[in-house]
Amino acid sequence: DAGVTQSPTHLIKTRGQHVTLRCSPISGHKSVSWYQQVLGQGPQFIFQYYEKEERGRGNFPDRFSARQFPNYSSELNVNALLLGDSALYLCASSLVETQYFGPGTRLLVL
Amino acid sequence: KQEVTQIPAALSVPEGENLVLNCSFTDSAIYNLQWFRQDPGKGLTSLLLIQSSQREQTSGRLNASLDKSSGRSTLYIAASQPGDSATYLCAVGLSNFGNEKLTFGTGTRLTIIP
Repeated sequence: DAGVTQSPTHLIKTRGQHVTLRCSPISGHKSVSWYQQVLGQGPQFIFQYYEKEERGRGNFPDRFSARQFPNYSSELNVNALLLGDSALYLCASSLVETQYFGPGTRLLVL
Repeated sequence: KQEVTQIPAALSVPEGENLVLNCSFTDSAIYNLQWFRQDPGKGLTSLLLIQSSQREQTSGRLNASLDKSSGRSTLYIAASQPGDSATYLCAVGLSNFGNEKLTFGTGTRLTIIP
């Protein structure tokens, strides 16, 4: 089975722009979570969706939003990008408890 | 607020040695604890998950222990190999399935010297 996939792998944006990141979970996994990992730090929780409903939200501004589609794939949207949004964005899916992470999308904001 | 700490931040050991990585957390009311491996610029690979009711889990050369009352976990790596070089992250889960926010430590960067 394919693992968690994310697109794009890399992205360069300028301040003030909008970005959409995409995640496809492992087949059969209904839970998807998003994390932001700044260089040298551990991942920080952004959102969790289960069966298309938001189940958790981390301490991130309203510029960050997400949704989950009927096929359980997910999008993370970030508006009005700031330099500090530059990070590796990780998506994870789970069936029971163990979370399986994708390779991430590296976002650079200039 | 749950805080997770990993010490040391970096560790270098000769190939073949056994080693222990440490993780501590401030709130003992956890649901589970998971150890991950991260290679440079890559995503996370799950190594071991320990339920809050368990004391340890083993997978190959890896053994993870959990002492919930003292807020500590260790990851033991036996007979280290150069391929074990990576950053190791621990994360605590505070809720059960369907509400699984993980709180991560900052990781220990492990280098195995051939």
